[in-house]
Amino acid sequence: GESVGLHLPTLSVQEGDNSIINCAYSNSASDYFIWYKQESGKGPQFIIDIRSNMDKRQGQRVTVLLNKTVKHLSLQIAATQPGDSAVYFCAENPDNYGQNFVFGPGTRLSVLP
Amino acid sequence: NAGVMQNPRHLVRRRGQEARLRCSPMKGHSHVYWYRQLPEEGLKFMVYLQKENIIDESGMPKERFSAEFPKEGPSILRIQQVVRGDSAAYFCASSPSSGRTISYNEQFFGPGTRLTVL
Repeated sequence: GESVGLHLPTLSVQEGDNSIINCAYSNSASDYFIWYKQESGKGPQFIIDIRSNMDKRQGQRVTVLLNKTVKHLSLQIAATQPGDSAVYFCAENPDNYGQNFVFGPGTRLSVLP
Repeated sequence: NAGVMQNPRHLVRRRGQEARLRCSPMKGHSHVYWYRQLPEEGLKFMVYLQKENIIDESGMPKERFSAEFPKEGPSILRIQQVVRGDSAAYFCASSPSSGRTISYNEQFFGPGTRLTVL
């Protein structure tokens, strides 16, 4: 299960399985969302983005789903690999004309051999 | 094509000292953002700057913190009279432009500066 506070929620997945990482965002006016991957000791790395006029967007091995009704984002990673082990953050842009992104708390993905 | 550069990568300061964190955006990028990340937490927006202008500092503490992005040189995040609670990783990101486009401008992140206050 998940824990809040000092420890990141952790998702453990077997190598080769699909991963689904979830994120609830806070502002119904947010119209742009990004998923970032952050490996230990590094800065966040862009994975995929989606605008609010879409409900699904696919990249290479990744798919982002957006449900505006319940303010929920998910990131699906197909055929998870050891190199996918990292912390994943969703970020929302709540200001229509600004650049202020609000990051979620993150989920640690651990890929088991 | 170098990415966003930050230095130093690690910075140790004693309480009451000043910390200066530097960020050189990617070539051709004129927008810089600073974020703070506490251990096991997400990134918190601090400030958004363009050359010689602070655009949005809504996430910046009102005291002891300041940021600049001069016409020449890197962006500087300055923390005066540091306290233990300032210990965190500070990330800089840059983007080529702002505004609403079909494909929003991605923010490219640097490797971060890890500040430890003793």
